[in-house]
Amino acid sequence: GEDVEQSLFLSVREGDSSVINCTYTDSSSTYLYWYKQEPGAGLQLLTYIFSNMDMKQDQRLTVLLNKKDKHLSLRIADTQTGDSAIYFCAETGNSGYSTLTFGKGTMLLVSP
Amino acid sequence: DAGITQSPRHKVTETGTPVTLRCHQTENHRYMYWYRQDPGHGLRLIHYSYGVKDTDKGEVSDGYSVSRSKTEDFLLTLESATSSQTSVYFCAVKQGTGYEQYFGPGTRLTVT
Repeated sequence: GEDVEQSLFLSVREGDSSVINCTYTDSSSTYLYWYKQEPGAGLQLLTYIFSNMDMKQDQRLTVLLNKKDKHLSLRIADTQTGDSAIYFCAETGNSGYSTLTFGKGTMLLVSP
Repeated sequence: DAGITQSPRHKVTETGTPVTLRCHQTENHRYMYWYRQDPGHGLRLIHYSYGVKDTDKGEVSDGYSVSRSKTEDFLLTLESATSSQTSVYFCAVKQGTGYEQYFGPGTRLTVT
């Protein structure tokens, strides 16, 4: 079945770059997503990438996709304390209805 | 926020009682989804809808039913709540075209 794995925790200093990694098993995944969740809040869509792309950049965010290894990463440049949150990787698999399979989330802690 | 509201935002109920959660959207999204979020599990799909009266089961649908009698509302019903259904429930929406899936603010349900 489909499975999405993420490391559970990442700690960085303010101003450094953060890299959050994700691996997935479903080779038919069409789209891969990154969401951010702050405490007590819903999920905020950060960015997504189509499976035929290698990279996507959006301001401080860079998504890299290695389809051969089924590895996705999210790089946050110049990480700020406001970036502290849980980050979820998700994939659509081969669902024709865009249902998402999520990883368990990576907690990013940014210290001053 | 893609015009999504969820009600109630918090609910405490007793084991064995029926509970209905409502997701309401104002932007005519075709697809609607219910997910639950539990510690250690990330988010898991309960049910989804691809149009009025068109619904299907997700990964964790046992004990839940849904209805969508109009485009803007997607109801999730726990026929007889159990303690294992204590969770945070998120509704999500997506347009018929496009790839962005947006989440509501969530409903925290506690079953005692």
